[in-house]
Amino acid sequence: SAVISQKPSRDICQRGTSLTIQCQVDSQVTMMFWYRQQPGQSLTLIATANQGSEATYESGFVIDKFPISRPNLTFSTLTVSNMSPEDSSIYLCSVAGVGTGNTGELFFGEGSRLTVL
Amino acid sequence: AQTVTQSQPEMSVQEAETVTLSCTYDTSESNYYLFWYKQPPSRQMILVIRQEAYKQQNATENRFSVNFQKAAKSFSLKISDSQLGDTAMYFCAFIYTGGFKTIFGAGTRLFVKA
Repeated sequence: SAVISQKPSRDICQRGTSLTIQCQVDSQVTMMFWYRQQPGQSLTLIATANQGSEATYESGFVIDKFPISRPNLTFSTLTVSNMSPEDSSIYLCSVAGVGTGNTGELFFGEGSRLTVL
Repeated sequence: AQTVTQSQPEMSVQEAETVTLSCTYDTSESNYYLFWYKQPPSRQMILVIRQEAYKQQNATENRFSVNFQKAAKSFSLKISDSQLGDTAMYFCAFIYTGGFKTIFGAGTRLFVKA
């Protein structure tokens, strides 16, 4: 299993500003995933963050809007840049199962609820 | 491309009764995993149950069990003896063996009524 801590848990932001979300995992993991969950919706993968390389972004998401850092195997950040009200969402950090016998299960942080005014 | 479909946006059940949440998926892969995740109002997503596609036996975890029909690409979740704490969003999810991208369904919001 993995314990994931995300900060901030929630924030209210002004249009045009940027906010960085931090994700800390209690064990070393190869891949970390950033999801967006708009109100009442399912999870949409933003990008996969690999240590030592550029993040891989899904269709519809770009690095300029959602820059990601992955400085080591236990930490990642997601920045939401130049925010607009449409960016109001819950942003979730997750990792795949750690250790041997990985069966693809995901572990999630508690999420960061952003409201953009 | 893989897709996961949950056709029930909302469901409700009386406490202590049984409810079944539906999920269908589409894939050309033969080796994969299927999951049900629960997201309570407090927001943190947790795994409820997992099924390996190569296993014919349906997975069971206490009050939670699945009906896995591989040929029909169906993966329903049965919750027995429903409890108030089962109130949550439930997401069906798929990942093929060796892959790294999980595909989620749209979710089913379950209300357990006292």
